[in-house]
Amino acid sequence: EIVLTQSPGTLSLSPGERATLSCRASQSVTSNYLAWYQQKPGQAPRLLIYGTSSRVTGIPDRFTGSGSGTDFTLTISRLEPEDFAVYYCQQYGSSLLTFGPGTKVDIK
Amino acid sequence: QVQLVQSGAEVKKPGASVKVSCKASGDTFTSYGISWVRQAPGQGLEWMGWISGYNGNTKYAQKLQDRVTMTTDTSTSTAYMELRSLRSDDTAMYYCARDHKYCSSTSCPLRYWGQGTLVTVSS
Repeated sequence: EIVLTQSPGTLSLSPGERATLSCRASQSVTSNYLAWYQQKPGQAPRLLIYGTSSRVTGIPDRFTGSGSGTDFTLTISRLEPEDFAVYYCQQYGSSLLTFGPGTKVDIK
Repeated sequence: QVQLVQSGAEVKKPGASVKVSCKASGDTFTSYGISWVRQAPGQGLEWMGWISGYNGNTKYAQKLQDRVTMTTDTSTSTAYMELRSLRSDDTAMYYCARDHKYCSSTSCPLRYWGQGTLVTVSS
């Protein structure tokens, strides 16, 4: 099973700032099949990014995914008020899916 | 517009079973798989398993495979997740989620999500 770790656990930033979230895998993620989800309180998660860097239809271009192998990054270029949430990475390169523990982006 | 509508909240005693439903609409049910993901209060996401809408093939997370069964009813476009021998640490929000169309050879990211079903296990 591929174990994903995310850092930092919490990121305290102000609107307009840049957020950089990290996701590291215990072994190489096959073909960079890495996704990112956003979850707000009381809501189901929402898929933002798949295949490391492809945005889902309707996701703003301030969200950018990058990386390869075992190290992946989600960057939010300029935080909007609605971006404060918890973000999870997930790998789907193996038969059994795994999620990272999440990074909470909160308002400084 | 793809929608997944889950059954309502459940309260169960330890040792009991729970069966949660997830009714899909807006797309061809048999073209995609459904995963089940749970989230304990204040905790992260845990993938429980997956079932094919096409042929009912399943794969389960190792820690749950002895207690969970996932099924589908293609006539009603509904997926089910049954969890047996419930314990207090099974208390969680349970989500169903449909595969995205862009997948690896073995798995898919989760494009559409149900609203969640809260299962509370308490004596």
